[in-house]
Amino acid sequence: DQQVKQNSPSLSVQEGRISILNCDYTNSMFDYFLWYKKYPAEGPTFLISISSIKDKNEDGRFTVFLNKSAKHLSLHIVPSQPGDSAVYFCAAGSWYGQNFVFGPGTRLSVLP
Amino acid sequence: ETGVTQTPRHLVMGMTNKKSLKCEQHLGHNAMYWYKQSAKKPLELMFVYSLEERVENNSVPSRFSPECPNSSHLFLHLHTLQPEDSALYLCASSQDSRNTEAFFGQGTRLTVV
Repeated sequence: DQQVKQNSPSLSVQEGRISILNCDYTNSMFDYFLWYKKYPAEGPTFLISISSIKDKNEDGRFTVFLNKSAKHLSLHIVPSQPGDSAVYFCAAGSWYGQNFVFGPGTRLSVLP
Repeated sequence: ETGVTQTPRHLVMGMTNKKSLKCEQHLGHNAMYWYKQSAKKPLELMFVYSLEERVENNSVPSRFSPECPNSSHLFLHLHTLQPEDSALYLCASSQDSRNTEAFFGQGTRLTVV
């Protein structure tokens, strides 16, 4: 059973619009969440994180929202740019641990 | 060079071969990791090293043997692998062993024939 799910394998968005990538988790012990971005032929790159003591964290065009009761987080990219086209992974784990469980990823395509 | 560097980028090996994957980080980090990404599956953590000591081994078969001679280098020694071990192997490092912001290498695409 997947502990971290990203139910949309792919998403297409027009340049300038908002991209919303979703992630659900099952383990209520998870208290720290990460988003990574991956371009082809490159390793994942850390994007943004959020602790369970917060429900929102913002960094420039990227905002992550956390709904603990629903065990759901989302990444908003506003405005979306063609350079944002990549695979986005969410990961969940413990602030004190090493083993973050990754989701399968969502491929975002931002169309010019 | 900066960041996390992995060699080789691609590797094809037979089931009776012995090979090693190499990872080097130039970030001054204290923790290093090996991940495996199989086709259609999420990234899976294999090994964690913190200050050159192994702190976690996620039930990885013994045909995978990690080595961390110093805080900048990490190896994954491979022997008698199976075709199902074909995958992308990613190395990562982080400032400390909490792994809350890992820097990844480009990965080694391994094919076992």
